[in-house]
Formats: sequence, C-alpha cells, structure tokens
Amino acid sequence: EAQVTQNPRYLITVTGKKLTVTCSQNMNHEYMSWYRQDPGLGLRQIYYSMNVEVTDKGDVPEGYKVSRKEKRNFPLILESPSPNQTSLYFCASSLSPTGTTEAFFGQGTRLTVV
Amino acid sequence: QQQVKQSPQSLIVQKGGISIINCAYENTAFDYFPWYQQFPGKGPALLIAIRPDVSEKKEGRFTISFNKSAKQFSLHIMDSQPGDSATYFCARTGNTGKLIFGQGTTLQVKP
Repeated sequence: EAQVTQNPRYLITVTGKKLTVTCSQNMNHEYMSWYRQDPGLGLRQIYYSMNVEVTDKGDVPEGYKVSRKEKRNFPLILESPSPNQTSLYFCASSLSPTGTTEAFFGQGTRLTVV
Repeated sequence: QQQVKQSPQSLIVQKGGISIINCAYENTAFDYFPWYQQFPGKGPALLIAIRPDVSEKKEGRFTISFNKSAKQFSLHIMDSQPGDSATYFCARTGNTGKLIFGQGTTLQVKP
C-alpha cells in the first residue's frame, strides 16, 4: 500500500529536550516536505526536500532541522523544543517538485511541548 | 508570501444541501489549485484540483469554479452528505513546489 508513515503519532515533551519525528514514504517520491497545522492558520510549510541531500527552508523553519540521507526518509528534528512548537505536524511526499502532482500526507504527529 | 484566504471558517449544512467554500489568492504566478479534504485524526488527502485555464471542473458531487479575473476559486459540494463532514483546505502551488494552504473550513453536514 502506498503511504507516508510518521512516528510517533502523539508526543508530549518538555522544553529543551531534543526530539525527532520520523517520516518514511514507500512511493519512491523525490519531493518531501514538512508542514505544521495550527487552528485558523491552515498548514504552513516548515522545510522541504527536492531529492537526497537537497533540503531548503519553507515558511516557518525557525527551531527545526531536517535531513534527507535516503530518498524514502525525511526526519524532522527539534533540537530545543519550545511551547510555541506545540502543533500538529504532517509529512508529505509527491512524485515531483513541480507542484502539480498530488501530495500524499502522513497521519500526523501531535506534539505538545510543556 | 502569496497567501490564500479561505472562507467561511466553519459551515453547517443540512443533508442534501449545497456546501460552498470560497478562496481568494493574490497573483497568478502559479498554475495549480487543489482542494484537500481532512477527516479527524487523518492527514489531508487530495479531493479535486484545477488549472487556471479551466473555469470549472466537476468530479461527482464536487465542483471547482475558477474565476481568474477575480482571483477567486470555490468548491461546491452538491447533495451534501454526513460523510462529507470534514475540514476542507484550498491551496495553490508556490515556487519550489510548495503548497500554500488556506485557513481551512470545517464542514458539518447534519442528517
């Protein structure tokens, strides 16, 4: 089954404790990205990757890091989480970076930073 | 940043009625306008999409209307059903393939 898998689904952590949210896709997609979803703001892009070892900032990259060492994996790293990073996070992948192809989203990771 | 403004924020419709969600964008530099549907606890999933050289696209009960001169596009759900209850996001592609989303509309269809 074609899918994007995120882990964990739910995470509660304390301020400053480094964490990683994993994302894996099995569709051999080149383009992957991370979004955060906040009420009244829709989804906003954090980081994206056009291919292995090629990553760049989206609209809200502060406080986040990513890496793309393999085509299928695109982890999101919060080196020192803060309460304003409490949000619902989605990883997405698509066949190409042109933007006209369908984006497939993971199930989401609900992060709470206390 | 090229924003997409979506309205209304929430919508309640009776079963069998028409649900209408509107979006407005700022420029026509990009060429793909998808709508995503999100059920509680799930990620968004592509529902229907349109290019700006087409004024209307219909897939089953779902229709996108596109008005390029007004820089607006809308989603119409005909014969709305309780199973359509979800959050709907309009979007447009930005540079680098980024999806720029509207704020979302929570639709509730009452039986």
